[in-house]
Amino acid sequence: DTGVSQDPRHKITKRGQNVTFRCDPISEHNRLYWYRQTLGQGPEFLTYFQNEAQLEKSRLLSDRFSAERPKGSFSTLEIQRTEQGDSAMYLCASSFGQGQAFFGQGTRLTVV
Amino acid sequence: AQSVTQLGSHVSVSEGALVLLRCNYSSSVPPYLFWYVQYPNQGLQLLLKYTSAATLVKGINGFEAEFKKSETSFHLTKPSAHMRDAAEYFCAVSGGTDKLIFGTGTRLQVFP
Repeated sequence: DTGVSQDPRHKITKRGQNVTFRCDPISEHNRLYWYRQTLGQGPEFLTYFQNEAQLEKSRLLSDRFSAERPKGSFSTLEIQRTEQGDSAMYLCASSFGQGQAFFGQGTRLTVV
Repeated sequence: AQSVTQLGSHVSVSEGALVLLRCNYSSSVPPYLFWYVQYPNQGLQLLLKYTSAATLVKGINGFEAEFKKSETSFHLTKPSAHMRDAAEYFCAVSGGTDKLIFGTGTRLQVFP
């Protein structure tokens, strides 16, 4: 499969725990994006990378959130001390330059 | 700054009827406009995009959209709905930066 891959697809965690999600972009894509989608809403931009450099972060990305893209390949999104309000679908997308963004199937996080 | 407004969170049509999903945008720079479709528990798939070329844009699955600058609109249409078109549709804008700003979505139901 040559699409954007996200792991895990589903995660249930207790409030206060840390979670980490992984995104593997399409191999030749240099840009990688993270979005968050809550129920009944459209996706909201969180952050994006060009190669390994994190170029923009939304104010939605509180200090409990951190994203990395070591070596410009896969990316991880970590949420520390999870809160119930963090429950959402986390979507990853990749593109080559400003070309079409391809989305993964998302990781659904439930904080109980 | 950019934003989009999708009028109507739910639209219902009969199979074979015209589909019209409304989107109005706001942008301080010439916009790039997109329509994405999302099936349950899936990521987003690009239907079509406007990037300042032809104002009438044809996409996949028989959908098309017309960019009307005077009305700041980018409505999505399909002449004849199919059952398989039932999904959530998102309009999005990009102002030449790399992030997409999404609307809140319109859920399309198709009745036999």
